[in-house]
Amino acid sequence: EAQVTQNPRYLITVTGKKLTVTCSQNMNHEYMSWYRQDPGLGLRQIYYSMNVEVTDKGDVPEGYKVSRKEKRNFPLILESPSPNQTSLYFCASSSGGGFPEKLFFGSGTQLSVL
Amino acid sequence: GQQVMQIPQYQHVQEGEDFTTYCNSSTTLSNIQWYKQRPGGHPVFLIQLVKSGEVKKQKRLTFQFGEAKKNSSLHITATQTTDVGTYFCAGMNTGFQKLVFGTGTRLLVSP
Repeated sequence: EAQVTQNPRYLITVTGKKLTVTCSQNMNHEYMSWYRQDPGLGLRQIYYSMNVEVTDKGDVPEGYKVSRKEKRNFPLILESPSPNQTSLYFCASSSGGGFPEKLFFGSGTQLSVL
Repeated sequence: GQQVMQIPQYQHVQEGEDFTTYCNSSTTLSNIQWYKQRPGGHPVFLIQLVKSGEVKKQKRLTFQFGEAKKNSSLHITATQTTDVGTYFCAGMNTGFQKLVFGTGTRLLVSP
């Protein structure tokens, strides 16, 4: 089954404790992206990748890191999480070549930073 | 930077009533996409509009792309309880690299 898999689904952590949210897609998509969703603000892009070893900042990249060493995986790293990073995070991949068309989203990761 | 606004933020209708959400971009778009997110779920792609003035239909849903390619609308005829969720538009810039989501319209349908 074609899908984008995110883990974990829920995560509670404390300020400053490094964490990684994994994202994997099995559709051989070139484009992948991370979003955060906050009430009233919609979906805001954190980072995106148009292909392996190619990543770029989105609209809200501060406090986040990503890597794209393999086509299928695009982990999101919070080196030193802070409470303002409490949010619902979505990973997505695109069937539009290296461009963000027809995004397929993962099930989301609800992160709480205490 | 590119901004995409959506109105209304929230709408509550009775089943059978029509519903429309509007999307406006600060810049000209190369295309616009629409997504639906059910409560507790993830966004799911609905449709993509590319041409100026384009109109597409999916059963009870009608999507329009403005002539100037800066605005779009989604109209649902005779809403059903299964239409409940948040509808997002997402505009792609003319460089085809950046997709900016609108703030979403949350639809609640009462039986």
